[in-house]
Amino acid sequence: EDQVTQSPEALRLQEGESSSLNCSYTVSGLRGLFWYRQDPGKGPEFLFTLYSAGEEKEKERLKATLTKKESFLHITAPKPEDSATYLCAVQRGATNKLIFGTGTLLAVQP
Amino acid sequence: GAVVSQHPSRVICKSGTSVKIECRSLDFQATTMFWYRQFPKQSLMLMATSNEGSKATYEQGVEKDKFLINHASLTLSTLTVTSAHPEDSSFYICSAPRDSYNEQFFGPGTRLTVL
Repeated sequence: EDQVTQSPEALRLQEGESSSLNCSYTVSGLRGLFWYRQDPGKGPEFLFTLYSAGEEKEKERLKATLTKKESFLHITAPKPEDSATYLCAVQRGATNKLIFGTGTLLAVQP
Repeated sequence: GAVVSQHPSRVICKSGTSVKIECRSLDFQATTMFWYRQFPKQSLMLMATSNEGSKATYEQGVEKDKFLINHASLTLSTLTVTSAHPEDSSFYICSAPRDSYNEQFFGPGTRLTVL
């Protein structure tokens, strides 16, 4: 059965304190792994898609990496405006559906 | 990034009424759209896949007669919650893939409250 697990559930950082969020997955025929940011009461905002082990993508203070079993979202020198829930999702090759993890709620304090 | 809109953003209705939610892709065509439901402090759960010109496909456990989906054009999908009850209160979000599903863009969501 396809499964996506994110950890930690919640993370509190001081401004400038770098850290990483984890997304572990089991899926048959991974087509892509997606990272989204979701603010309260809003729809998810697309961040990255990763396709193969070893791939990395960066956007401002965020960098996403992918292995055969997990993905990391590294946050470098975060700012309070990075506070949000970060969602990971996997897409199977046979379908175009996304299977979401439960998310990591990130709070960055000034 | 691509823009997907939803209307309304918030709706409050009485139990037993039907509510229609629209999802539009504003700057690209989408032959497929997805509908999700999100309960407080939970992740997104896929409800159904909306296909332009054909019937929607529903996930296991989702009642197709209760959640009617119509994908009337390449830029519009609608979700109608029929005979809504308080347990249908939730945050409904649509998404539309672009560029061979390499990216999926989400709408801002619709908060449904059934009294």
